[in-house]
Amino acid sequence: AQSVTQLDSQVPVFEEAPVELRCNYSSSVSVYLFWYVQYPNQGLQLLLKYLSGSTLVESINGFEAEFNKSQTSFHLRKPSVHISDTAEYFCAVKMGGFKTIFGAGTRLFVKA
Amino acid sequence: DTGVSQNPRHKITKRGQNVTFRCDPISEHNRLYWYRQTLGQGPEFLTYFQNEAQLEKSRLLSDRFSAERPKGSFSTLEIQRTEQGDSAMYLCASSLDADRGPDNEQFFGPGTRLTVL
Repeated sequence: AQSVTQLDSQVPVFEEAPVELRCNYSSSVSVYLFWYVQYPNQGLQLLLKYLSGSTLVESINGFEAEFNKSQTSFHLRKPSVHISDTAEYFCAVKMGGFKTIFGAGTRLFVKA
Repeated sequence: DTGVSQNPRHKITKRGQNVTFRCDPISEHNRLYWYRQTLGQGPEFLTYFQNEAQLEKSRLLSDRFSAERPKGSFSTLEIQRTEQGDSAMYLCASSLDADRGPDNEQFFGPGTRLTVL
């Protein structure tokens, strides 16, 4: 069965430090990969996505993620985080059709 | 703002009561999805519509749950005889037709938080 595993439920980090949020998936078919961010009391927003082509994808606010097919991973990274990056981040996998499967989420907490 | 809207934002009800939530998708979006999110978990798929047709229902959607999308515009999710286990955030999302490719981003509403006492 397809599944998405986010290896860390919470990640505390100091401002301006680098961060990596880990995501692994299991699937026997080709996948499309997404990271969503959820700020307090708001809906999910798409942060970035991998569909095909270059395995490294970037967002407009400095996040990047790399699709690693052999390790079935799609880790999210940022070289220097800001207080405003504090939020919950969800990795998601779409395996064709309509259905998207989400991970349990990683709460990023950026400390001053 | 022409994003996805959901009403009400919060609903507190007693066990056994019926509740109905509404979702207004982005106007040109054909597809509409309902998800349930419990504390510490990611969204779990419940059902989706292509225009007015309900094309898929998750096994999570028991007989007490029903969703409609009359005229292919707004959608309602009704829960009958609510149970404490129904307490969760109910999220709605919409997207363009899948024929336009897999990168049809889902846009999420703010959710309706249900608390069953």
